[in-house]
Amino acid sequence: DAGVIQSPRHEVTEMGQEVTLRCKPISGHNSFFWYRQTMMRGLELLIYFNNNVPIDDSGMPEDRFSAKMPNASFSTLKIQPSEPRDSAVYFCASSLRGLNEKLFFGSGTQLSVL
Amino acid sequence: SQQGEEDPQALSIQEGENATMNCSYKTSINNLQWYRQNSGRGLVHLILIRSNEREKHSGRLRVTLDTSKKSSSLLITASRAADTASYFCATDEGGRGGSEKLVFGKGTKLTVNP
Repeated sequence: DAGVIQSPRHEVTEMGQEVTLRCKPISGHNSFFWYRQTMMRGLELLIYFNNNVPIDDSGMPEDRFSAKMPNASFSTLKIQPSEPRDSAVYFCASSLRGLNEKLFFGSGTQLSVL
Repeated sequence: SQQGEEDPQALSIQEGENATMNCSYKTSINNLQWYRQNSGRGLVHLILIRSNEREKHSGRLRVTLDTSKKSSSLLITASRAADTASYFCATDEGGRGGSEKLVFGKGTKLTVNP
C-alpha cells in the first residue's frame, strides 16, 4: 500500500485566493482526519470523518474552511478566501477504525499565503 | 484544545544514552499514543497504550502509563542519531456531541548527537 497520499507538497498563494488541498487515505480505512500544524499552536484537529460522514468539525477555524469526503478514497480541504494566518502545514490521516487505532499520516502540504 | 503536554520541550543527548520524555494530560482517556515526526515529514505512529495497561514495549521503546497521575513516559534506550526527531503524545478526548477526537501535545524535540 502506498500509504496516505497528499497533494500538493507545497503551495504558495496570494491572500484572497482559493486553495484546495487533496488527500487519498489508505484503502479500507474508515476514519479520516485533517490536521493543521503551526509552531505556535502545534497540531490541531480540523475535522474528523467516519465512513465519509463528518463527525466533528469543531476545529475548523471559520466558514472560510470547508472539507469534503465524497467517497472513501478521496478528500479535499478548501480555504476560500485564504489569509496569511492560514499559513501552516496541513496533514491528513486515516485509521482503520476511529481513535482507538493508530493513525497513518500523509507527508503534509506546506501552505504559504502571502 | 491541548490535552497532552510533553516535557521537556527539547532534549539533547549523546548517542548510546537513554532518552525519557513525559506526557501529562487532563481528562480521562481510553488510550494514549506516541508518535514521531522527522523534520519536514508526517507523523509516524510508535506505540498505543490502553488505559488498562501500565507498560508496553516495542524494540528500544518503552512506554508507561499512570492513569492516577494522568501521565505517560516514553523511554528510548541506547539512542541513535537516527532517533533525532520530535515526539508527540496524543490522547482521545470527548468532543462535541459525544464524539471523540485525538488531541496532540506540542511535542518534545529530541536531538541525539553522534
